[in-house]
Amino acid sequence: AAGVIQSPRHLIKEKRETATLKCYPIPRHDTVYWYQQGPGQDPQFLISFYEKMQSDKGSIPDRFSAQQFSDYHSELNMSSLELGDSALYFCASSSSGAEAFFGQGTRLTVV
Amino acid sequence: EDQVTQSPEALRLQEGESSSLNCSYTVSGLRGLFWYRQDPGKGPEFLFTLYSAGEEKEKERLKATLTKKESFLHITAPKPEDSATYLCAVQASLATNKLIFGTGTLLAVQP
Repeated sequence: AAGVIQSPRHLIKEKRETATLKCYPIPRHDTVYWYQQGPGQDPQFLISFYEKMQSDKGSIPDRFSAQQFSDYHSELNMSSLELGDSALYFCASSSSGAEAFFGQGTRLTVV
Repeated sequence: EDQVTQSPEALRLQEGESSSLNCSYTVSGLRGLFWYRQDPGKGPEFLFTLYSAGEEKEKERLKATLTKKESFLHITAPKPEDSATYLCAVQASLATNKLIFGTGTLLAVQP
């Protein structure tokens, strides 16, 4: 069965640089979520989209933005990166608010 | 404020030694409670969804139950491959699909 695909799997950036993370949800899923997970932490909700419209917003810094495109893939754009942005970033998708299925994540390291 | 608390933080079991993990929640209106398994550096893997008090779900050695205040994940005769972090998450109201996670229980099953 198709799963949520994230790219890249690993990303190393310097402080103040910009990063773009991509997510391809499970086909026919109408909702996409982005989560941030620091070392030893639980996943923290950033933002979600329902049918390509932003549906909910969590603790997402103003330096971050996200969008969902016509083909349903989503991108998380992160600017002016800080050391504290180093984390695992997960994308998840669901159908009509049912259980969310997660991708394998992007490990972002800011040096 | 919506809150999810898991206990214990860590649990070490001998192979075959059954036990239970707890997830207590305080939310404005529970829409659904989810259990996930997470291996190090990987995305959370969906296990169960529970919607109403009294509901139970089973899968292999795992059984999840739900009351109005908490959920339990019972592990019967665990094996070393059950070692992982188990995360509980809730959808706190009908107005949102986002998941609020607990901090997880790190389970280690020794042979």
